[in-house]
Amino acid sequence: QVQLVESGGGLVKPAGSLRLSCAASGFTFSDYDMNWIRQAPGKGLEWVSYISRSGRTMEYAASVKGRFTISRDNAKNSLFLQMNTLRAEDTAVYYCATALQPDFWGQGTLVAVT
Amino acid sequence: DIQMTQSPSSLSASVGDRVAITCRASQGISNYLAWYQQKPGKVPKLLIYAASTLQSGVPSRFSGSGSGTDFTLTISSLQPEDVATYYCQKYNSAPRTFGQGTKVEIK
Repeated sequence: QVQLVESGGGLVKPAGSLRLSCAASGFTFSDYDMNWIRQAPGKGLEWVSYISRSGRTMEYAASVKGRFTISRDNAKNSLFLQMNTLRAEDTAVYYCATALQPDFWGQGTLVAVT
Repeated sequence: DIQMTQSPSSLSASVGDRVAITCRASQGISNYLAWYQQKPGKVPKLLIYAASTLQSGVPSRFSGSGSGTDFTLTISSLQPEDVATYYCQKYNSAPRTFGQGTKVEIK
């Protein structure tokens, strides 16, 4: 069945770095554009970053531009988010998800910057 | 950047009521608008895309309308399982902004 499994979250100090991974299975990963979306505790959804299926087009929210880098490895069915210069306001559950259709989401990984 | 503003931020209605949530874009986005439902403790789920196209498997009591800057998600007959927070999202280009969410409760 379709699975998106995020990993790499954890506790990190301000100005630190983390690399999130998202392992895809059960569908043809290389056929789909992907997003990272985050949700701070008790808050709404915030779009973070987008990457096209080929990996040639990347987009970022203003709040993370210049600090976060999205990438993918279609041969390994994997999506990544390199997060540098982390701030307290980056604390959130980070979801990987297909960009709209089909609608596949991971269960999320918690990043706590403190 | 285009801002997405939802209203109301929360609502309480009775089972069987018709419920409407609006989403306004600060500039026109054609019909590149999606609606998501997030139940407590769960992952978001796509309800509607292209402003009015119902995602497969979503009950027909959900509908979407609008184009340009003004959009509406309507639940024709509110059910207990519809308790959730609903988000709109523009998805045509960056930033792919979500609205701030509308929390729906049963009265």
